[in-house]
Amino acid sequence: DAGITQSPRHKVTETGTPVTLRCHQTENHRYMYWYRQDPGHGLRLIHYSYGVKDTDKGEVSDGYSVSRSKTEDFLLTLESATSSQTSVYFCAAAGVGSGNTIYFGEGSWLTVV
Amino acid sequence: GIQVEQSPPDLILQEGANSTLRCNFSDSVNNLQWFHQNPWGQLINLFYIPSGTKQNGRLSATTVATERYSLLYISSSQTTDSGVYFCAVEGSQGNLIFGKGTKLSVKP
Repeated sequence: DAGITQSPRHKVTETGTPVTLRCHQTENHRYMYWYRQDPGHGLRLIHYSYGVKDTDKGEVSDGYSVSRSKTEDFLLTLESATSSQTSVYFCAAAGVGSGNTIYFGEGSWLTVV
Repeated sequence: GIQVEQSPPDLILQEGANSTLRCNFSDSVNNLQWFHQNPWGQLINLFYIPSGTKQNGRLSATTVATERYSLLYISSSQTTDSGVYFCAVEGSQGNLIFGKGTKLSVKP
């Protein structure tokens, strides 16, 4: 058990509404990531964090923002959801030790209608 | 940026068969990991293997960093091995860049 939980696990929302996904970890990992997984694209990085209040963009960051006010929590916000953001979102975390092995949460299924 | 290619894209095996999955990457890497995504979507880290060989039960992995490839071996496959296997390498931002995966189906 990597101690990573995501919430909500499933959500249906309407186009134009804001959505926040939460990732919580209990292992004091320094690095945290948000990925999205889509058919034909595999896993693509949205944003990542290398410490409290230290975040940076990944390859598909447009339309998303993140915040990390505490080591254990990493929030992903869709300011105004669009149908193209329908996806499965995975949070991941990695520490400095253990060769930077990365651990994933169980995923959040988001549908924008 | 670094490219990660996995082959084959799909693989169907009879239970008990062995298989080899390949991951090619376009640049030198300090971090390479293999993951299994089960049919319920859960992603499990199998190996952290930037070089050398590791074994864990029926699974083993070898990375030849100088030739920019890694192999994942599955022996005596079981239906529970079904799912998608991903290779991922560290990019310039320190994040992991994933290949598109090999979808494995093991038939009873």
